[in-house]
Amino acid sequence: DTAVSQTPKYLVTQMGNDKSIKCEQNLGHDTMYWYKQDSKKFLKIMFSYNNKELIINETVPNRFSPKSPDKAHLNLHINSLELGDSAVYFCASSQDLGLAGGGELFFGEGSRLTVL
Amino acid sequence: KQEVTQIPAALSVPEGENLVLNCSFTDSAIYNLQWFRQDPGKGLTSLLLIQSSQREQTSGRLNASLDKSSGRSTLYIAASQPGDSATYLCARRSGGGADGLTFGKGTHLIIQP
Repeated sequence: DTAVSQTPKYLVTQMGNDKSIKCEQNLGHDTMYWYKQDSKKFLKIMFSYNNKELIINETVPNRFSPKSPDKAHLNLHINSLELGDSAVYFCASSQDLGLAGGGELFFGEGSRLTVL
Repeated sequence: KQEVTQIPAALSVPEGENLVLNCSFTDSAIYNLQWFRQDPGKGLTSLLLIQSSQREQTSGRLNASLDKSSGRSTLYIAASQPGDSATYLCARRSGGGADGLTFGKGTHLIIQP
């Protein structure tokens, strides 16, 4: 049973289109993230959600909008896709342990977006 | 600006060797540090998590250490095998709550049979 699952795994679309990527975790974690891995394989955080509240938005264009209907799901919607949006998008989740320490992050398999 | 640097960027060694991958980070404020492996076209697999209060963690042939004062972590792989070939990523978390990980650019490791 997959802990963090993303759909679709591959997405090919034209510039200007709007697309969504879905993520679900069955680990009972209260924090979920979206990361972007660019063509040089560098991973950078985009968003973080804790109990359905946006915590981090790391200078991401407002064409990207995360939506969390509940703490087990975090979807990423992208409007007016551009060539530069082509990348692999990873969803992750963790459980914050407070003073006991930081939770381990678990990643999904990634969603490869290609914009033509 | 928080940065994580991994050295070397690439490494190719014969099977059976013990090896060390290095990770350094600016800013000594660290909540935890996590090592991952990534196989081509795949997601990230968590290998080891070291909390800021810990010095090292071990899992099988892997041992990761953390030295906060020098801003360094090492991943030691004993008796390397071809199946260890992958990209190894180091990532630090500077705070708790929903603070995310800052990643290094990885070390691309090839173990020659």
